[in-house]
Amino acid sequence: DTEVTQTPKHLVMGMTNKKSLKCEQHMGHRAMYWYKQKAKKPPELMFVYSYEKLSINESVPSRFSPECPNSSLLNLHLHALQPEDSALYLCASSQDGANYGYTFGSGTRLTVV
Amino acid sequence: KNQVEQSPQSLIILEGKNCTLQCNYTVSPFSNLRWYKQDTGRGPVSLTIMTFSENTKSNGRYTATLDADTKQSSLHITASQLSDSASYICVVSAGSSGGSYIPTFGRGTSLIVHP
Repeated sequence: DTEVTQTPKHLVMGMTNKKSLKCEQHMGHRAMYWYKQKAKKPPELMFVYSYEKLSINESVPSRFSPECPNSSLLNLHLHALQPEDSALYLCASSQDGANYGYTFGSGTRLTVV
Repeated sequence: KNQVEQSPQSLIILEGKNCTLQCNYTVSPFSNLRWYKQDTGRGPVSLTIMTFSENTKSNGRYTATLDADTKQSSLHITASQLSDSASYICVVSAGSSGGSYIPTFGRGTSLIVHP
């Protein structure tokens, strides 16, 4: 299995909703990442979970919260989002060390209404 | 500050023609450079990855080159197809002693292949 699986592929949610994005990999990678990508822009790093330690981009608002139940899963919990949070959310994973096996999931297209 | 610059920003070519995309970077210490293809609304798909000692790497009709001295890379697409229409992103990773190698993304080149 050489894939990073993201679910759901599409999500529409209201500003008062609570939802979660899921990301799973079975490649034995020890680092996983969440990115946010707006149209025609490069992905922006939100969170890194590496060596069982979570690193947070300080510019990410607290309405986004990551959760890592185990080394194969990295979820992103969403609460009280704003319309400007609408974007493509990408999960990625990489091997230990030199980041050689950096692999992206197919993304979740999120629309906040 | 680590930076990755790509050119051109967009490119339109006719089906069957070749093209070359450029990537210049100022990332230190250099670990690896990857080219990704990203279709609209989808996650990036890796085309090639090169480390410091590699000058060229091919993946089908895609050939990437790396000049670590000038900190430049190119992606050459041969005999373009309509399905090559996508954004091509250059990503450069810096080495780190902390165990997590955060890559720097270029803004991408938008390629449109016309019949």
